[in-house]
Amino acid sequence: QQQVKQSPQSLIVQKGGISIINCAYENTAFDYFPWYQQFPGKGPALLIAIRPDVSEKKEGRFTISFNKSAKQFSLHIMDSQPGDSATYFCAASGRGSSNTGKLIFGQGTTLQVKP
Amino acid sequence: NAGVTQTPKFRILKIGQSMTLQCAQDMNHNYMYWYRQDPGMGLKLIYYSVGAGITDKGEVPNGYNVSRSTTEDFPLRLELAAPSQTSVYFCASSLREGGSGEQYFGPGTRLTVT
Repeated sequence: QQQVKQSPQSLIVQKGGISIINCAYENTAFDYFPWYQQFPGKGPALLIAIRPDVSEKKEGRFTISFNKSAKQFSLHIMDSQPGDSATYFCAASGRGSSNTGKLIFGQGTTLQVKP
Repeated sequence: NAGVTQTPKFRILKIGQSMTLQCAQDMNHNYMYWYRQDPGMGLKLIYYSVGAGITDKGEVPNGYNVSRSTTEDFPLRLELAAPSQTSVYFCASSLREGGSGEQYFGPGTRLTVT
């Protein structure tokens, strides 16, 4: 019940295309779903986050779509650019005796945007 | 404002050696975390702290120890290093608990145990 499963493991997209990364979770107590972006040799940095009271959140070219009934959420990168090439991690956290306050990360997706 | 700093950046250890990975933050965050990152495995929480003097185990604590004597510093100790501890280690901090606030990550320490 603590897992967050992320797919695909790697993704290649042409410049200007849409990049889509999917995550699924099992624990219904999760109530915070952030996405982190990591460039080579750097630590992850928060990109965008959502709570389950909304189905979508958009910040610039980045959108999170959230499906509470399916226990899935996804990151969409519109008009993908070579500068978006990085590793992306979904994560989840929520209330519960074994998980209070701690983020559970997905396995990561390496995105390459070809010029 | 340096954020979260980690030293060293790289280290090679022999099996059985010990070392301390240093982590410091200057944002006055109460919450601090240690993660390890292995290829294709995401980030796994090793230990975390909710304030000076308070630490608790995460998902993969075996072979590690931590202490939190000040708000700023959260060192990670490896005793009797093993090849399985070859990884990239990240320290992070947050103003609020990880479930409701942004975590700020350091640049990482790449550790190889041979």
